[in-house]
Amino acid sequence: GDSVTQMEGPVTLSEEAFLTINCTYTATGYPSLFWYVQYPGEGLQLLLKATKADDKGSNKGFEATYRKETTSFHLEKGSVQVSDSAVYFCALISNTGNQFYFGTGTSLTVIP
Amino acid sequence: DAGITQSPRHKVTETGTPVTLRCHQTENHRYMYWYRQDPGHGLRLIHYSYGVKDTDKGEVSDGYSVSRSKTEDFLLTLESATSSQTSVYFCAISENPETDTQYFGPGTRLTVL
Repeated sequence: GDSVTQMEGPVTLSEEAFLTINCTYTATGYPSLFWYVQYPGEGLQLLLKATKADDKGSNKGFEATYRKETTSFHLEKGSVQVSDSAVYFCALISNTGNQFYFGTGTSLTVIP
Repeated sequence: DAGITQSPRHKVTETGTPVTLRCHQTENHRYMYWYRQDPGHGLRLIHYSYGVKDTDKGEVSDGYSVSRSKTEDFLLTLESATSSQTSVYFCAISENPETDTQYFGPGTRLTVL
């Protein structure tokens, strides 16, 4: 079945450090891929998405490239800020289904 | 922000009692979802709906039922709550899940004693 695997957390970085959160997937068909962010006490918000191979999603300095050959969608940011502290979820939906599948989430803390 | 509300936002109940959580949307989106969020598990789909009176099970549907009698409302019912159902429950909506964003509600924290 469809699934998403993302790197275990928690991750702690200093401000302005480079961020990578790994995400790999297993899916039937041709999935769309997403990164969601959850700030404390809130619901999830879409951060970025990519709907086909080689697409790059980007938003707020975050980027992720849909790599079909490695079934990956790693999240990157060149210089993190304290305000980026949150939990990040990788997710997919296959074009053969109606259900989203989420990874377990990676907690990021950025310290000044 | 997408117009999604959940009620109640917090609830404490006892084992064996019935509980109903409500999700209300003002976006007229076709799809509605119920997830639970637990440490180490991320979000797991309980049930979803793809139209009025059209629902289907997710990966953790045991012990839960849903109903959707109107486009804007999606109810999640725990017929007889158990401690293992202590969790944070999120509702989400989407117009076209393959191409569109899922918008999430603020969540309901349920504690079953």
